[in-house]
Amino acid sequence: ETGVTQTPRHLVMGMTNKKSLKCEQHLGHNAMYWYKQSAKKPLELMFVYNFKEQTENNSVPSRFSPECPNSSHLFLHLHTLQPEDSALYLCASSQEELGKTSGVRAEYTQYFGPGTRLTVL
Amino acid sequence: GESVGLHLPTLSVQEGDNSIINCAYSNSASDYFIWYKQESGKGPQFIIDIRSNMDKRQGQRVTVLLNKTVKHLSLQIAATQPGDSAVYFCAEKAENYGQNFVFGPGTRLSVLP
Repeated sequence: ETGVTQTPRHLVMGMTNKKSLKCEQHLGHNAMYWYKQSAKKPLELMFVYNFKEQTENNSVPSRFSPECPNSSHLFLHLHTLQPEDSALYLCASSQEELGKTSGVRAEYTQYFGPGTRLTVL
Repeated sequence: GESVGLHLPTLSVQEGDNSIINCAYSNSASDYFIWYKQESGKGPQFIIDIRSNMDKRQGQRVTVLLNKTVKHLSLQIAATQPGDSAVYFCAEKAENYGQNFVFGPGTRLSVLP
């Protein structure tokens, strides 16, 4: 176990459905990430949250909507997806620097959850 | 570049032999590297990391070598076991990437009995 959990593990949805993926990290980290892993591409970063604030959005379509209510939880809301969105969606967390004077060591290593296997029909 | 799935590079080794998995990275400014292992149905699992001020780092049965001159990273697994069968990814990080890691396409390691 990596300390990062994701639910559900498998999800099948139609193109008109609305669903949400959930991620929870138990590592005390301050940054969380959503990645997409499809059959023919390397891992693609979708969103980054630092201290609950979204800091990066890698040109992800608006049918994917992230939410980070606190530093331990991350959601990915899905709406009117396309079949090409079928993939493994991975959540990760890491400890990033709080500031040069904070004394908190940044680990940088991202710890991944098991992923949600999404199939869009 | 190569992609995963149908075009994923595969390395087959006999159980007990040593494995060497290679990775070429693109950004000469990258200063931190990680090797991940991903088993079927699971997320990537951290194996070992190395910073650019080092050339070699050893873990339990694994060694990572970094050659900054040719931008090459390798993972050596000693006495490969059936449980080592998985896809192995390298990931690089640079100051100008922010928190982005750039992941390689992965290599599938198959351990033969």
